[in-house]
Amino acid sequence: AQSVTQPDARVTVSEGASLQLRCKYSSSVTPYLFWYVQYPRQGLQLLLKYYSGDPVVQGVNGFEAEFSKSNSSFHLRKASVHWSDSAVYFCAVSIGGGNYKPTFGKGTSLVVHP
Amino acid sequence: DTTVKQNPRYKLARVGKPVNLICSQTMNHDTMYWYQKKPNQAPKLLLFYYDKILNREADTFEKFQSSRPNNSFCSLYIGSAGLEYSAMYLCASSRDRRANYAEQFFGPGTRLTVL
Repeated sequence: AQSVTQPDARVTVSEGASLQLRCKYSSSVTPYLFWYVQYPRQGLQLLLKYYSGDPVVQGVNGFEAEFSKSNSSFHLRKASVHWSDSAVYFCAVSIGGGNYKPTFGKGTSLVVHP
Repeated sequence: DTTVKQNPRYKLARVGKPVNLICSQTMNHDTMYWYQKKPNQAPKLLLFYYDKILNREADTFEKFQSSRPNNSFCSLYIGSAGLEYSAMYLCASSRDRRANYAEQFFGPGTRLTVL
């Protein structure tokens, strides 16, 4: 079984500041990892995903995430946030073996002040 | 068109009455999912269809039913709504459930309020 913890329910930053949203996972095998974003009144959209290779993976809109096996983490980062990045961000994990049922975290609400 | 549509966007239901939510996608995805999302909680997988095969999660097996009359449509059915069913219901689809790396495409959700 897998689980995901997003320890920060809400993060507030100023426009132009750097950002890190935290995600910790628990899995008995190396999982598939995802970050999704949900803008107001829209469905969740994929930002980026990771399974193997370079532990730093690039996503859309300048987002990147770094996988750490030793820390069981997959933190999301952005060098300079824009007010339009205000949204809810979900981390998700899935294990393989033909049983593709992603488990989501509770989400982190990001508020960017102009 | 990579959108997943959900109808209605808002649904008001009475306790004890049935509820039927609809989801559609035109991406020819073989897998469609239903999640329940309550405030400050993670989206909870209720069930998914892989092609015509329905898989329901063990802890919600008796509470939700679903049908998929064709590849594009999938419904979520509650036979007798209770107050605890008030939540946002998210529909998603993916290209291939067996592809562990497959991206899920989500609809905007249906907010169900049971009174």
